[in-house]
Amino acid sequence: DADVTQTPRNRITKTGKRIMLECSQTKGHDRMYWYRQDPGLGLQLIYYSFDVKDINKGEISDGYSVSRQAQAKFSLSLESAIPNQTALYFCATSVSNTGELFFGEGSRLTVL
Amino acid sequence: GQNIDQPTEMTATEGAIVQINCTYQTSGFNGLFWYQQHAGEAPTFLSYNVLDGLEEKGRFSSFLSRSKGYSYLLLKELQMKDSASYLCAVRDYGSSNTGKLIFGQGTTLQVKP
Repeated sequence: DADVTQTPRNRITKTGKRIMLECSQTKGHDRMYWYRQDPGLGLQLIYYSFDVKDINKGEISDGYSVSRQAQAKFSLSLESAIPNQTALYFCATSVSNTGELFFGEGSRLTVL
Repeated sequence: GQNIDQPTEMTATEGAIVQINCTYQTSGFNGLFWYQQHAGEAPTFLSYNVLDGLEEKGRFSSFLSRSKGYSYLLLKELQMKDSASYLCAVRDYGSSNTGKLIFGQGTTLQVKP
């Protein structure tokens, strides 16, 4: 089983719908991240969290919100999805004293 | 702010050597990472440089020059499975306590027979 698990792996939805992407990890890491990836743009940071009580905005947080329900769980929500949020979304974790990221398998979201 | 540049695409021949360059500008450098990403898959860690010089790991090596804001990833004895995107990422000193990385757009490498 993967150490960082994302659900759903694929989702097609319509404009205006609320969508939640979930991430859970068994690595015991304190830091968790949500990135989105678009062709030719690399990975862009949406939100990150140091622990359950800590949430920080990344480069492109507008239109997104997150919840850190437990050390092992970090969810990303799109309150009202729009087509330009169509992308591949990655959850990642890291240990506090290193920068190496461990990625989930990705969630491909299509907003029609 | 930060700026990271790397070539968009490269092509090389199986068995050859290829060098993928990355230049960066940050307000406070604190480490550079290379990740490999196969199409449709998650990125996986390749290397980490924080001091100047060459880090070698099997067929892959990564070099860093902090004064020049420059790094490269060297792939030797190329194999078809090395066809992937290679992502350069920089950790900024101001963000070092967070482990937050800023990524370049990635270099797509195609290995041909």
